[in-house]
Amino acid sequence: KAGVTQTPRYLIKTRGQQVTLSCSPISGHRSVSWYQQTPGQGLQFLFEYFSETQRNKGNFPGRFSGRQFSNSRSEMNVSTLELGDSALYLCASSYRQGPYEQYFGPGTRLTVT
Amino acid sequence: SQQGEEDPQALSIQEGENATMNCSYKTSINNLQWYRQNSGRGLVHLILIRSNEREKHSGRLRVTLDTSKKSSSLLITASRAADTASYFCATDGNSGAGSYQLTFGKGTKLSVIP
Repeated sequence: KAGVTQTPRYLIKTRGQQVTLSCSPISGHRSVSWYQQTPGQGLQFLFEYFSETQRNKGNFPGRFSGRQFSNSRSEMNVSTLELGDSALYLCASSYRQGPYEQYFGPGTRLTVT
Repeated sequence: SQQGEEDPQALSIQEGENATMNCSYKTSINNLQWYRQNSGRGLVHLILIRSNEREKHSGRLRVTLDTSKKSSSLLITASRAADTASYFCATDGNSGAGSYQLTFGKGTKLSVIP
């Protein structure tokens, strides 16, 4: 099976802009979770989608949002970008909902200038 | 806040030696997982151990779990240069209202010197 894919792999944006990241899970996986990884805060959970519904949300401001489509593909949107949003954004898929074995994509490296 | 905390933060060993990493956590868990991350890339799941298990093996990996001490350890035997990576423990903390999320520690950076 093909692994989790994320696009784009690298992105440079300016403060105040918005960005949309995309994630395609492993075929048959219905759960998609998003994480932010920074040197200072480490890996932090953003949200989880399962069957097109957000099932769980981390402690991030409302500027961070997401959605999942009927084919389980997911997008994450960050509006009004701040310098502190520079990070590696990781998407992970799983067969079932919840904190079980996750299959991660390679990530999108977002740089905000 | 981080649920799991790995120790040490960094570890450097010679190829062929064993590497041991520890993880401590704060609240009760259903399971604990270990992941590996090569520099700047996605994480790879290594092993999941349930709260009612004490030890689990997978190839050269051995994981132990002591729920009374809220701690786990990951042992990599006969290390190879290819084992050079960051290793994270992840726990399923209760995020409220009966929902659980995977919470990662800050990781142990392992360097295996050929």
